[in-house]
Amino acid sequence: EIVLTQSPGTLSLSPGERATLSCRASQSVPENYLAWHQQKPGQAPRLVIYTTSNRATGIPDRFSGSGSGTDFTLTISRLEPEDFAVYYCQQHAYAPLTFGGGTRVDMK
Amino acid sequence: QVHLVESGGGVVQPGGSLRLSCAASGFTFGAHVMHWVRQAPGKGLEWVALMEADGSNQYYTDSVEGRCTISRDLSKNTLYLEMNSLRPEDTAVYYCARGAGWVVDYWGQGTLVTVSS
Repeated sequence: EIVLTQSPGTLSLSPGERATLSCRASQSVPENYLAWHQQKPGQAPRLVIYTTSNRATGIPDRFSGSGSGTDFTLTISRLEPEDFAVYYCQQHAYAPLTFGGGTRVDMK
Repeated sequence: QVHLVESGGGVVQPGGSLRLSCAASGFTFGAHVMHWVRQAPGKGLEWVALMEADGSNQYYTDSVEGRCTISRDLSKNTLYLEMNSLRPEDTAVYYCARGAGWVVDYWGQGTLVTVSS
């Protein structure tokens, strides 16, 4: 099983600032099959990025993903008020599929 | 527009059984991998099970293997999760989700399962 470790646990930033979220895998993720999901309080998650760097439908270009092997990053270039949420990485290469523990992006 | 509506959640005693349903619309149901993912209260996401698009294979997380069965009815565009021998640690919101390949690309709103005496 691929274990995903996200850091930091919480990121406190202001609107307009840049957010950098990390996801580290316990072993190399084949084909860079690493996704990111956003979840706001009381809502279902929403896919943001798949296969490391591809934005999902309707996701603005301030969201970008990068990385390879075991180290992956989600970057939000300029935080908008609607971006404050919890973000989970997910590997979609091997069963059992796994999620990271999440990074909460809080408004400072 | 992709629409996934879960039902069947509720309160069940430890050792009991429950069947969750997910009504799908807005896409070709039989052409997609389908998933169940759960979230315990105040916790993160945990993938539970998936069914391949052609129905040939099902996969489960270790903690539910042997206790849960994922299935579907193509005539009803409905996905199911049969859960047996339920434990308190199975308490969670259960999300039905569509796959694009194995990545989850659309989520339902979830149904709450509470295992308690």
